[in-house]
Amino acid sequence: DGGITQSPKYLFRKEGQNVTLSCEQNLNHDAMYWYRQDPGQGLRLIYYSQIVNDFQKGDIAEGYSVSREKKESFPLTVTSAQKNPTAFYLCASSPQMNTEAFFGQGTRLTVV
Amino acid sequence: AQSVTQPDIHITVSEGASLELRCNYSYGATPYLFWYVQSPGQGLQLLLKYFSGDTLVQGIKGFEAEFKRSQSSFNLRKPSVHWSDAAEYFCAVRLTGGGNKLTFGTGTQLKVEL
Repeated sequence: DGGITQSPKYLFRKEGQNVTLSCEQNLNHDAMYWYRQDPGQGLRLIYYSQIVNDFQKGDIAEGYSVSREKKESFPLTVTSAQKNPTAFYLCASSPQMNTEAFFGQGTRLTVV
Repeated sequence: AQSVTQPDIHITVSEGASLELRCNYSYGATPYLFWYVQSPGQGLQLLLKYFSGDTLVQGIKGFEAEFKRSQSSFNLRKPSVHWSDAAEYFCAVRLTGGGNKLTFGTGTQLKVEL
């Protein structure tokens, strides 16, 4: 089935450690996105990529990094510089930038 | 900067009653407009979208939304709510003409009383 796969669903890390969240899509979409969701704040854009080997910062990129080496994959690294990394992270993709986005099931990251 | 406002954080309705969730956006031009639904611990599912044309848009699960340019609004409606509609609903806006950011409102949590 076509879709967006995020793994793992739950992730626990110790404070100060970097952690990488996986996002894979088999929809042949050009654009991919990472959002962070916190209660009462909606979804905030971390990074997005319109094409392979290119990506741009969103509204809250500090403490995060991404890569887009393949069309299907857009991993997000939460670095130790992110001051409050515990959150629900959502990956999305869209055929083009001006269309609707399709979402994965999310990864809940807890940093202790 | 574009912004999306969902003024109702929580709404409770009885099963079978009608529903309207409010969404207002702040942007000079007409953007692309979306409504998504999210069940607890899950990703977001697209309910409907508006790009252009007829301002009354039909979506999945019996939902509809009406775009009102004069009010900068895109309210979501359903004539008769089912208990399974309990979820969080997000309005989203994307700039037209090559825009790149999909901006979300803070969401409205819907509770359905049986």
